[in-house]
Amino acid sequence: EDKVVQSPLSLVVHEGDTVTLNCSYEVTNFRSLLWYKQEKKAPTFLFMLTSSGIEKKSGRLSSILDKKELFSILNITATQTGDSAIYLCAVEEGGNNRKLIWGLGTSLAVNP
Amino acid sequence: DTAVSQTPKYLVTQMGNDKSIKCEQNLGHDTMYWYKQDSKKFLKIMFSYNNKELIINETVPNRFSPKSPDKAHLNLHINSLELGDSAVYFCASSQDYRGRRAFFGQGTRLTVV
Repeated sequence: EDKVVQSPLSLVVHEGDTVTLNCSYEVTNFRSLLWYKQEKKAPTFLFMLTSSGIEKKSGRLSSILDKKELFSILNITATQTGDSAIYLCAVEEGGNNRKLIWGLGTSLAVNP
Repeated sequence: DTAVSQTPKYLVTQMGNDKSIKCEQNLGHDTMYWYKQDSKKFLKIMFSYNNKELIINETVPNRFSPKSPDKAHLNLHINSLELGDSAVYFCASSQDYRGRRAFFGQGTRLTVV
């Protein structure tokens, strides 16, 4: 059965810390892996990863995919209280319907 | 057991038709949502129901109408389908309407031809 597993489930850090969030997957017919930040009405799209070893970067956030070992990490450096959110990982399958298999998310709390 | 399930997973239909997408959650959550994902993977919220009551109704055409027969179900009905309605639609649920940890369905890919 296809699955996406995120770890840790929750994390509490202090401002300025660096965090690494993990997403591992077992999905047939992999197409892409997506990261979202969920805090208010709708998850905010962060990254889409399709190729191994190519780091995607946006400010203090970066992500990389390893298609051989079937995982991705999301790094946040110099965390701020505004980074507090749930970070969702989802894997998009190929094929006609291109469904997304969602992880349960990592709840990150950044304390001042 | 699937926590949030949507049916159908894939739907191709002609312009002008009326179609429904069903969503069911077995998590006992009070709040359910419908999102539309665009071609850039952005998710936009459409509707949210808390205990069968509409609490979020974003600016969507009134051809889209959610229906919640009970708190475990939130169906999306679309009238007079247009080409621009083609997208992937996601259903989700959360324990309450502040719902930071939401559980998502796998999506329904709607293609209007």
